[in-house]
Amino acid sequence: SQQGEEDPQALSIQEGENATMNCSYKTSINNLQWYRQNSGRGLVHLILIRSNEREKHSGRLRVTLDTSKKSSSLLITASRAADTASYFCATLNLSSGYALNFGKGTSLLVTP
Amino acid sequence: IAGITQAPTSQILAAGRRMTLRCTQDMRHNAMYWYRQDLGLGLRLIHYSNTAGTTGKGEVPDGYSVSRANTDDFPLTLASAVPSQTSVYFCASSVAGGTNTQYFGPGTRLTVL
Repeated sequence: SQQGEEDPQALSIQEGENATMNCSYKTSINNLQWYRQNSGRGLVHLILIRSNEREKHSGRLRVTLDTSKKSSSLLITASRAADTASYFCATLNLSSGYALNFGKGTSLLVTP
Repeated sequence: IAGITQAPTSQILAAGRRMTLRCTQDMRHNAMYWYRQDLGLGLRLIHYSNTAGTTGKGEVPDGYSVSRANTDDFPLTLASAVPSQTSVYFCASSVAGGTNTQYFGPGTRLTVL
């Protein structure tokens, strides 16, 4: 069963705008990760936030974590057409070794 | 080889046939995983291996088997393919423990007719 659930399922914005995606999860976590998937490709790790962190930045990415609400958000600032992809949050699957539970993803379309 | 590779890239298979999807990594990661990705369902774990010589079942293991004879290779076998196994299959690897950031292969698109 999926641990994380992203919201919205799909998001369409114009270049230069900010894109915000949300993730909710069910159980306690050590960390939460965000991955990106371009069409027809494998997932690529973007950023990780630990359970004792509230916010983390990496370039145009900003991730927040609220463990009391079991939620996280990914903000992409000044979006570019090249940011068009699906974005997934992931948490550790405690019943399957070190595997990750992925949500169903947010499909982001950035139009020029 | 750089990172993690999968073969074949795509395959059309008749139902009832046996098929092995190959996965190789050169990062010396001890943990490896197989996921399937279906539209609207996200990624689901099929099997995993925390270290060479050990394997475990994920969320959707039925109809699939794996082996982990060495650190680098983690093949996934469909003993008798069925149409419901039509999917995109991703292999991934990680250093078990720590942050467990996963590195993914490019995927195998499998169609079972």
